[in-house]
Parts: sequence; C-alpha cells; structure tokens
Amino acid sequence: GAGVSQSPSNKVTEKGKDVELRCDPISGHTALYWYRQSLGQGLEFLIYFQGNSAPDKSGLPSDRFSAERTGGSVSTLTIQRTQQEDSAVYLCASSFRRTLRRASTDTQYFGPGTRLTVL
Amino acid sequence: GQNIDQPTEMTATEGAIVQINCTYQTSGFNGLFWYQQHAGEAPTFLSYNVLDGLEEKGRFSSFLSRSKGYSYLLLKELQMKDSASYLCAVKDSNYQLIWGAGTKLIIKP
Repeated sequence: GAGVSQSPSNKVTEKGKDVELRCDPISGHTALYWYRQSLGQGLEFLIYFQGNSAPDKSGLPSDRFSAERTGGSVSTLTIQRTQQEDSAVYLCASSFRRTLRRASTDTQYFGPGTRLTVL
Repeated sequence: GQNIDQPTEMTATEGAIVQINCTYQTSGFNGLFWYQQHAGEAPTFLSYNVLDGLEEKGRFSSFLSRSKGYSYLLLKELQMKDSASYLCAVKDSNYQLIWGAGTKLIIKP
C-alpha cells in the first residue's frame, strides 16, 4: 500500500512568514509523529498524536509551533513567524499502535520529509 | 538526562564486515531500533531488539545487551549501496523513541 506522504517536498520562505507542512500517514495507522532534523544531526521529536488522545506536545520548541490532526488521519504542522533557525527537514512518521502504552514493535514508518529553508 | 551515543562516522571496504555500536542511558527501556537513512531520504526501518541477544536478518544483524546498555548493528558483505547513516533509537519508559545522532558509514571500493 501507499506509504507516508508529505507536502511540499521543499519550502523556501522569508523570515517572519507562516508555513504549513502536511502529512498523510499510512491508512489505518493510529499514531503520527513529527520530527525535525537539522543537517548532520539526529532526529528531534516535536509532537505525537495517538488516536483520539490529547497529543504529546512536549517536543515543540516554542509556541510558534503547533500541529493538528484532523479526523485521525492527515496532520498539519504550522510554524508561525518563521526564524532562520527553523530551517531543517521536517519528517513525519506513522505507526500502528493499538494503545497508548504497548510493549510491541510499534515500528515507525517515515515520509520523505519537507525541507524548509527560511531566508 | 537521556543519551544515545554512536560514532559519528565510519569507513569500511566493499565486501568487508562492519560493526556500528550504540550505547544508551535512558529512563527505562522498551526496545531498541536501528534505521538506515540514505542522504536526502527518510529513515527506513532495519531491526528491532527488545530481548538480549542477536537478531539476524540477511546481511544485517543486530545485537542487544540490556545490562550493558549496548547494541550493535553488524553489516556483512558490504555493498556500495550500504553507504548511508545508521540511526539507533531507544523506546523509553514512556514508550517514546529517543534518537541517536546517527553514524555515517562510508563504503570504499
């Protein structure tokens, strides 16, 4: 079946502008994650959605960052008043996770990412 | 704090064997993942270990020692296409993944 898709693949914006990044998870996956990856760095967790539970926003770096997930499927990550330090690749992943806490593989499958450049 | 340590970069020769180590200090442990990430691409799942021992999957094997907070990824019969970054990630007590910075593996002919 289709994998995780993200759009746009590349986004160049000016400092101070707002941007929206979209993620379509694998159909049937209950969990959705957003990560940020700067050049040559590891993955930085941003936010996690699981079913109808309240999202885990513990990784969001500032209140300029927000995300929503509509209908338990598509998610949008919004960055307001972008700064140059927001430049990175934003990766979305989804997994099939039956419960909030489950001792299972819970493998995350990643989308191709959105490369954000803030000038 | 929580920490995942991996070598930044390794070089190996085509056809050889390479071992990429990962040590971790996390609040709890509920499994360890290895992912492969080619330059400019998304990470792809390679292996998962939750019990001590070796998991073999074709040319790739992954080992875990929970008492030592240690894992390694073993790649045999290296091919040029194995040039990539290899990411180690640990699922902590909250079932969240903590990611290492990755090891860039360079394969030379």
